Amino acid sequence: AQSVAQPEDQVNVAEGNPLTVKCTYSVSGNPYLFWYVQYPNRGLQFLLKYITGDNLVKGSYGFEAEFNKSQTSFHLKKPSALVSDSALYFCAVRCNAGNNRKLIWGLGTSLAVNP
Amino acid sequence: EADIYQTPRYLVIGTGKKITLECSQTMGHDKMYWYQQDPGMELHLIHYSYGVNSTEKGDLSSESTVSRIRTEHFPLTLESARPSHTSQYLCASSVSGASYEQYFGPGTRLTVT
Repeated sequence: AQSVAQPEDQVNVAEGNPLTVKCTYSVSGNPYLFWYVQYPNRGLQFLLKYITGDNLVKGSYGFEAEFNKSQTSFHLKKPSALVSDSALYFCAVRCNAGNNRKLIWGLGTSLAVNP
Repeated sequence: EADIYQTPRYLVIGTGKKITLECSQTMGHDKMYWYQQDPGMELHLIHYSYGVNSTEKGDLSSESTVSRIRTEHFPLTLESARPSHTSQYLCASSVSGASYEQYFGPGTRLTVT
């Protein structure tokens, strides 16, 4: 079965420290991977994606993510966290089953950056 | 500016009323989606459309219905609202192609009393 896992419901980090939000996936074929952020009472905003090429992908707001094929992971990272980064983060992978091209979503990780 | 719009942003309505949540996008995307999300929780796909006159039910069973008469417009209708429909409804769109990244509207927060 194709799936996405975000093993941490919540991540707490101090402002200025590096942050990591974890994501692992299980999908047939080549994975197309995405990270989105959701601020309170808002829709989701696209952060970055991995389709092919360099394993380190850079996205919006200083975020980056590292694709690791052997570990089937796509962790989101930022070198120095800001209080304004506090939000809900979702990992997603494109479903490759047959003609189905929907996104499969993780359950989300709540990031809290403390001043 | 190309964007995706949802109206209303907030709606409080009584049980039994018929409601339509509007979603429009100006990006020319052929694919559109409706998700249901309780606050701070996971996303559930309830409907999607791959083009005009094409609609499919999503992974989560929903009593709502959708239509896609125009490329840019994908409204969601509840014939008789119930308190169990209280949730946030997110509309998204994507373009055909390899990446399938989706772009989201701001959402409609629905409360049924």
